[in-house]
Amino acid sequence: GAGVSQSPSNKVTEKGKDVELRCDPISGHTALYWYRQRLGQGLEFLIYFQGNSAPDKSGLPSDRFSAERTGESVSTLTIQRTQQEDSAVYLCASSFTRDTDTQYFGPGTRLTVL
Amino acid sequence: GEDVEQSLFLSVREGDSSVINCTYTDSSSTYLYWYKQEPGAGLQLLTYIFSNMDMKQDQRLTVLLNKKDKHLSLRIADTQTGDSAIYFCAEKMGTGANNLFFGTGTRLTVIP
Repeated sequence: GAGVSQSPSNKVTEKGKDVELRCDPISGHTALYWYRQRLGQGLEFLIYFQGNSAPDKSGLPSDRFSAERTGESVSTLTIQRTQQEDSAVYLCASSFTRDTDTQYFGPGTRLTVL
Repeated sequence: GEDVEQSLFLSVREGDSSVINCTYTDSSSTYLYWYKQEPGAGLQLLTYIFSNMDMKQDQRLTVLLNKKDKHLSLRIADTQTGDSAIYFCAEKMGTGANNLFFGTGTRLTVIP
């Protein structure tokens, strides 16, 4: 079946603008994760959704970052008033369950803030 | 917080074995993973190991886990040019943890 997909693949924006990034998880996967990867660095956890439970937002770096997910479907990550330090690749992953999960990653969205 | 460390670079000759090392700090890790990232691509899960195992072999890949020393390694036998990529180790904590903690990645360069 199809893997995790993300859109857009690349986004260039001006400082101060809002951006929305989209993730389509693998069908049937109840858990969804957003990570950020800055250039030359490892992945940094942002937020986690599990079914209809309240999301774990502990990794969000500021209140400019928010994410939504309806049920077990698409998720959007929104960054308001973007800053240059937000430039990174934003990766989405999904897994079938939380405890045994193997996370499958999408190709990422490369965000560049000018 | 959790700390996962990897050396940044590794170069090997085609046909040789590659060994990529990773150390972590939290002894409550339940699963440890190796992911591969090729240029411009997302992360590809290579293999994982449960924390109660000390070795796992999958074709050319061998994972060794030394839980006492909190050391994880990935051995790639007969390394090929297509193995050139960044390799990330990641740990998943015990019950209650939702996310993976990643190392900074090791860039493997295979010299023909």
